[in-house]
Amino acid sequence: EAQVTQNPRYLITVTGKKLTVTCSQNMNHEYMSWYRQDPGLGLRQIYYSMNVEVTDKGDVPEGYKVSRKEKRNFPLILESPSPNQTSLYFCASSYRGWTEAFFGQGTRLTVV
Amino acid sequence: KNEVEQSPQNLTAQEGEFITINCSYSVGISALHWLQQHPGGGIVSLFMLSSGKKKHGRLIATINIQEKHSSLHITASHPRDSAVYICAALTGLSDKLIFGTGTRLQVFP
Repeated sequence: EAQVTQNPRYLITVTGKKLTVTCSQNMNHEYMSWYRQDPGLGLRQIYYSMNVEVTDKGDVPEGYKVSRKEKRNFPLILESPSPNQTSLYFCASSYRGWTEAFFGQGTRLTVV
Repeated sequence: KNEVEQSPQNLTAQEGEFITINCSYSVGISALHWLQQHPGGGIVSLFMLSSGKKKHGRLIATINIQEKHSSLHITASHPRDSAVYICAALTGLSDKLIFGTGTRLQVFP
């Protein structure tokens, strides 16, 4: 089954404790992207990748890191989480050009 | 002003009603996506269209490129259609999705 898998689905953590949210797709997609969704603001792009070892900042990259060492995986790293990073996070993937977008189930992160 | 605007923000309907959700955008686009997000669930792509009209079951999406406007229609609405519907514009130059803030639809029996 074609899917984008995010883990964990829910996470409560404390300020400053490094964490990683994993994202994996099984469709051999070139494009992958991370978004955060906040009430009233819609989905905003954090980082994106157009292929292995090619990543770039989106609209709200501060406080986040990513890597794309393999085509299928695109982890989101929060080196020192802060309460303003409490949000619902989505990973998405697509063939080149976002002709069809596949989204993960979301990760609800709370930073206390 | 957001580059992609949706209306209404919230919508309630009785089962069986015809629903229309609107999306207007101010950027140049190559295509537009309509997405569905169920409470607590992930996001599912419903349509991608670059011109004209697409239909899938009770869902119909239309786009008018000249007027920079798209609509999502649901015929014979059902409580299981209750979800947040999001439009996302695919910008032509940067290959980037810009999202509207979503329309929350509740359909009551």
